[in-house]
Amino acid sequence: KQEVTQIPAALSVPEGENLVLNCSFTDSAIYNLQWFRQDPGKGLTSLLLIQSSQREQTSGRLNASLDKSSGRSTLYIAASQPGDSATYLCAVDAGKSTFGDGTTLTVKP
Amino acid sequence: NAGVTQTPKFQVLKTGQSMTLQCAQDMNHNSMYWYRQDPGMGLRLIYYSASEGTTDKGEVPNGYNVSRLNKREFSLRLESAAPSQTSVYFCASKLGGANQPQHFGDGTRLSIL
Repeated sequence: KQEVTQIPAALSVPEGENLVLNCSFTDSAIYNLQWFRQDPGKGLTSLLLIQSSQREQTSGRLNASLDKSSGRSTLYIAASQPGDSATYLCAVDAGKSTFGDGTTLTVKP
Repeated sequence: NAGVTQTPKFQVLKTGQSMTLQCAQDMNHNSMYWYRQDPGMGLRLIYYSASEGTTDKGEVPNGYNVSRLNKREFSLRLESAAPSQTSVYFCASKLGGANQPQHFGDGTRLSIL
């Protein structure tokens, strides 16, 4: 059974800092990995999707990498801003999606 | 630009009552999903519909039924609500195929007393 782990569960950084969020998964037979953002009381917003054949994807200040062989993905956020404060979830898709519990990020002004 | 719309947004039920959660998408997506989100357990798949006319069980289907009414709509029914079904329910959709992103609604917050 696929298991997805996100460490740390919570992270607090000062504004302007670059940071990395981690996602690990146990079964490398995946189609893709997707990173989401969830604001309190809201649904999930898709940030980036990396196909299994890709190594990374970039969108603005966000860069996601995928190392399928080691079962790891990272989400790099450059020059963090208070508006980046949210919970970030990763999900691996192998026909059905398995989600991690998320990392709750707080960016302090 | 509605995307995925869920109704209602909030609901309180008594144990044993029934209700249907509604989900509609306007993106012409083929696949639709129902998840529940509970603290410490992440999102778990309840049921999904890979295409119009098909439905399949996910990880936690017990106590639920679904109907793919048409390509746009996918409803989730609780026949006899239990306190263990207190949760936030999310509907999602995607175009279909292995490498399309899922799009989520804002959720239904359901409390069962």
